[in-house]
Amino acid sequence: DIQMTQSPSSLSASVGDRVTITCQASQDISNYLNWYQQKPGKAPKLLIYDASNLETGVPSRFSGSGSGTDFTFTISSLQPEDIATYYCQQWLTFGPGTKVDIK
Amino acid sequence: QVTLKESGPVLVKPTETLTLTCTVSGFSLSNARMGVSWIRQPPGKALEWLAHIFSNDEKSYSTSLKSRLTISKDTSKSQVVLTMTNMDPVDTATYYCARTHSGSYIPNYYYYYMDVWGKGTTVTVSS
Repeated sequence: DIQMTQSPSSLSASVGDRVTITCQASQDISNYLNWYQQKPGKAPKLLIYDASNLETGVPSRFSGSGSGTDFTFTISSLQPEDIATYYCQQWLTFGPGTKVDIK
Repeated sequence: QVTLKESGPVLVKPTETLTLTCTVSGFSLSNARMGVSWIRQPPGKALEWLAHIFSNDEKSYSTSLKSRLTISKDTSKSQVVLTMTNMDPVDTATYYCARTHSGSYIPNYYYYYMDVWGKGTTVTVSS
């Protein structure tokens, strides 16, 4: 099975900051990497699929990039409503998550 | 509008079998390259994929739970059912179903993402 690692496990940033989360696969997965946002007590929400495609209705401050084994998720300007845990996912495996808080 | 809704018992006893139903609307379980996955999340922990079933009846199970899981679908009722046998307190979690897309544009590489999720149902395993 392909293993997914995410870093950092948590971060605290100020409103307006640029936030970056990385995800690494244990082997080449082409660009088939997705990102989800999960707010407390809510179901996960798909934000980005196939590494860089923004799901319909998702704000443009969210973006993704990467291919092969290394991927990046970015929030260009952190907003209070972005407080959540973010998961990467490839095939049947989720990463361990990154909890994002406001400083 | 696409929706999925999970239903099932709130409380099960250890060793019992859990049966969860996912009722979908806004899409058909016979749509090509589309299916339904089950994912669970223990309190305070990460998401764990459990199983999926696709329109062609292709099924797959978590390697670690394969012996305990069965997934099936009733297209006419727009329902996907997941059973998990021999429940244990460590199976206490919120269980989600999600619409799933999968396919391949490149040999040996498969896209796979879950674009619409149910709200989840919380299952506690306790005597």
